[in-house]
Amino acid sequence: KAGVTQTPRYLIKTRGQQVTLSCSPISGHRSVSWYQQTPGQGLQFLFEYFSETQRNKGNFPGRFSGRQFSNSRSEMNVSTLELGDSALYLCASRAWNGGLSDTQYFGPGTRLTVL
Amino acid sequence: AQSVAQPEDQVNVAEGNPLTVKCTYSVSGNPYLFWYVQYPNRGLQFLLKYITGDNLVKGSYGFEAEFNKSQTSFHLKKPSALVSDSALYFCAVRARGSYIPTFGRGTSLIVHP
Repeated sequence: KAGVTQTPRYLIKTRGQQVTLSCSPISGHRSVSWYQQTPGQGLQFLFEYFSETQRNKGNFPGRFSGRQFSNSRSEMNVSTLELGDSALYLCASRAWNGGLSDTQYFGPGTRLTVL
Repeated sequence: AQSVAQPEDQVNVAEGNPLTVKCTYSVSGNPYLFWYVQYPNRGLQFLLKYITGDNLVKGSYGFEAEFNKSQTSFHLKKPSALVSDSALYFCAVRARGSYIPTFGRGTSLIVHP
């Protein structure tokens, strides 16, 4: 079974621009979560989507948004980029079988650099 | 609120020696606990999890972890370290009733030949 895939793997943008990242979950997984990883803050939860609806949200400004499509693929958008948005953005999927012990499986990440 | 502490930023061990990466947690009620490993420029790779039952959990690549409720700890262990085990290790906790895990800051494991 193919793992979680993320595109692109690397991105360079300038301040003020916007960016869209894409994530395809493991086949059969219906939940997609997004995380931001930085050396200073570690792994921080952005949001989770299930059935095209945002189910959980972390403490990030409204510049960070996402969506999920009917095939469970998800996109994350960051508008008006700031230098501090430079990070590794990780996507994770899980089955969402109603079991709270579902394990999240992570993609390789998208490395975003904001200049 | 839930939290995870990984008290060591870095752990150094010689190849062939046993290794331990420490994790303590705070959560209301019984926890779900996870260990992940991250290699450079890669995503997190699932190693093992504790849900309920036996306190000793066995995972991938010879790793195991012991759940200790009284000490609120979930330390990762391996009897004999390999150079290829060198990576960043993350502990995560999730309260029952919550879908959002909290991750520790990570511990860099360096295995010397």
